[in-house]
Amino acid sequence: EAGVVQSPRYKIIEKKQPVAFWCNPISGHNTLYWYRQNLGQGPELLIRYENEEAVDDSQLPKDRFSAERLKGVDSTLKIQPAELGDSAVYLCASSLEGHEQYFGPGTRLTVT
Amino acid sequence: AQSVTQLGSHVSVSEGALVLLRCNYSSSVPPYLFWYVQYPNQGLQLLLKYTTGATLVKGINGFEAEFKKSETSFHLTKPSAHMSDAAEYFCAVRPFSGGYNKLIFGAGTRLAVHP
Repeated sequence: EAGVVQSPRYKIIEKKQPVAFWCNPISGHNTLYWYRQNLGQGPELLIRYENEEAVDDSQLPKDRFSAERLKGVDSTLKIQPAELGDSAVYLCASSLEGHEQYFGPGTRLTVT
Repeated sequence: AQSVTQLGSHVSVSEGALVLLRCNYSSSVPPYLFWYVQYPNQGLQLLLKYTTGATLVKGINGFEAEFKKSETSFHLTKPSAHMSDAAEYFCAVRPFSGGYNKLIFGAGTRLAVHP
C-alpha cells in the first residue's frame, strides 16, 4: 500500500514569491493534516480536514497561507507571499477518522 | 493547555548501551501518548502508543515505553542500542477530549549512537 505522497521534496524560493505544496493521502483516509516543523522543533498542526471540510484551521496564518482539499482527496497548501520565517519542513499526514496518523516525507522549504 | 516536555535535545550512547529518552506531559486527565521516530529526510513513523490498559507498551525495533501516571511520564527505552537507531525521536500526546485526533508534539530528542 502506498504511503502519504508529498511533492516537491525540496523547494528554494526568494522571499515574497509564492509557493505551493501538494499532498496525496493514503487511499481511503478521510482525515488530512498539514503540519509545519521548524528546525529543532516538533511538528505543529496548521490545518485539519475531514473529507473536504477544514474543521480546524486555527493555527493557519490566514493572511498568507491557504489550503484546499478538493473532492476530499488530494490537498494543496499555498504560501503567498513567502517570508524568511516560513523556512521549515511542511508535513502532510492522513488518518482514517480518529485512528493513527501516517506521515509523508515532507517538503523542505528554504526562503532566501 | 496540554504540553509535552522532552528532556535533552541530544542524547549520545554507545552501541549496545541502554537507550533512555525522557518525556513528560502536562494534563489533568491522562491523554493518549505516542512516540514517533524520524530518520533524516523522512516523515515520522509511529514507534508505539499508549491508550488504555497495560502501562508498559512494546513497540517496533525493540523499543518500549512505560506510562507512569503519578510522574506524568512516558519515557522510551531500548535495552541495547544499534547504530540504525540514530534518528530524532518525538513524544506526542493526544488530549483525551474525544473524537479529535489532534497530536501535540515535544521538541524532539536527537539520538546519536557511536561504536
